[in-house]
Amino acid sequence: GEDVEQSLFLSVREGDSSVINCTYTDSSSTYLYWYKQEPGAGLQLLTYIFSNMDMKQDQRLTVLLNKKDKHLSLRIADTQTGDSAIYFCAESLYSGNTPLVFGKGTRLSVIA
Amino acid sequence: DAGVIQSPRHEVTEMGQEVTLRCKPISGHDYLFWYRQTMMRGLELLIYFNNNVPIDDSGMPEDRFSAKMPNASFSTLKIQPSEPRDSAVYFCASSLRGIGNTIYFGEGSWLTVV
Repeated sequence: GEDVEQSLFLSVREGDSSVINCTYTDSSSTYLYWYKQEPGAGLQLLTYIFSNMDMKQDQRLTVLLNKKDKHLSLRIADTQTGDSAIYFCAESLYSGNTPLVFGKGTRLSVIA
Repeated sequence: DAGVIQSPRHEVTEMGQEVTLRCKPISGHDYLFWYRQTMMRGLELLIYFNNNVPIDDSGMPEDRFSAKMPNASFSTLKIQPSEPRDSAVYFCASSLRGIGNTIYFGEGSWLTVV
């Protein structure tokens, strides 16, 4: 079955890099996602990566995918206080017709 | 473009009362999802619809929970009777098939049952 695991908490200093890690169990995953949830709000899509890619970069965000180890990471460069939020990793088996499976989320605290 | 719209944003109700949560998905989206978020269990998928038809309701916790989608632009999640353990944030989300399953969430309905 599908399962997505994340560490629950991460604390970093402003200006440092943050690395949020995720492991998933289903090797059939086609897309892997990172969502961000700010306090009192819904989840917003940050970025996603297709399973045939190893890396994707988008401004301060870098996603790394290790398919062999079923490990996904999100690196946030120059972390700011506005990056404090819960970050959810999610996987999908097939494009468009199965629901995403979410991890429990990693709460990132940025210390000024 | 308006995102997924949920109402009410906050509701406090007494145990035993009926609760109805409402959702308007993004126009043109053909999938609609209801999720529940709690500290203990994280984000749980309750039910999802495709083209207004319920596809999988295995996540609905009990018969007290029901969901409907009478048309492409409206869905409800009903809890009757409500219990304190139903207190959670309920999210509605929608997606369009064929774009990598990206789903878009509403702001959530924060339910407290006392």
